Amino acid sequence: AQSVTQPDIHITVSEGASLELRCNYSYGATPYLFWYVQSPGQGLQLLLKYFSGDTLVQGIKGFEAEFKRSQSSFNLRKPSVHWSDAAEYFCAVGARFGNEKLTFGTGTRLTIIP
Amino acid sequence: DAGITQSPRHKVTETGTPVTLRCHQTENHRYMYWYRQDPGHGLRLIHYSYGVKDTDKGEVSDGYSVSRSKTEDFLLTLESATSSQTSVYFCAISESTGTGGREQYFGPGTRLTVT
Repeated sequence: AQSVTQPDIHITVSEGASLELRCNYSYGATPYLFWYVQSPGQGLQLLLKYFSGDTLVQGIKGFEAEFKRSQSSFNLRKPSVHWSDAAEYFCAVGARFGNEKLTFGTGTRLTIIP
Repeated sequence: DAGITQSPRHKVTETGTPVTLRCHQTENHRYMYWYRQDPGHGLRLIHYSYGVKDTDKGEVSDGYSVSRSKTEDFLLTLESATSSQTSVYFCAISESTGTGGREQYFGPGTRLTVT
């Protein structure tokens, strides 16, 4: 079974600063990987996904993530954050074969300070 | 945005009463999921469906049942609500192809309080 860890519960960054949110997964092969964002009182919105190919994937809202097999990681990055990026971010992993379920991390809450 | 609606959006109920939450999709996706979201736990899968009348349990299914009589509707029932079921409930859909866990699209959520 797959699992995912988001080691940072809460991160605070200044507006305009760069951002990196960490995600580590456990799975016996290369999984499907996802990042979602949740604004307060809202559902989850898909930011980006990795299935195969280029290990650097681009998403919406200026986010990108890099799949590193050797580190079992799929970290989310943004070069310059905006106040509107304040939200909770979830990493998720899906099995590549058979299992149609996703496993979600516990989330990282991002606070932006002016 | 994916066409997913959840009803009701907010509900307060008393311990021991039955509660049914509804998820409705207009995307004709095969897979539908119910999650609960609690602080410190992220999203945990309650039940999911891979077709009409085809459902299976997730990791936190005790105390919950589901039904899917039409492609577009997936119902979550708490037979006898308890305070531990106070949570935010999300429905999700996916057009999986049978080759693994593909992206899911989420509804707006239902906030349930059991007093």
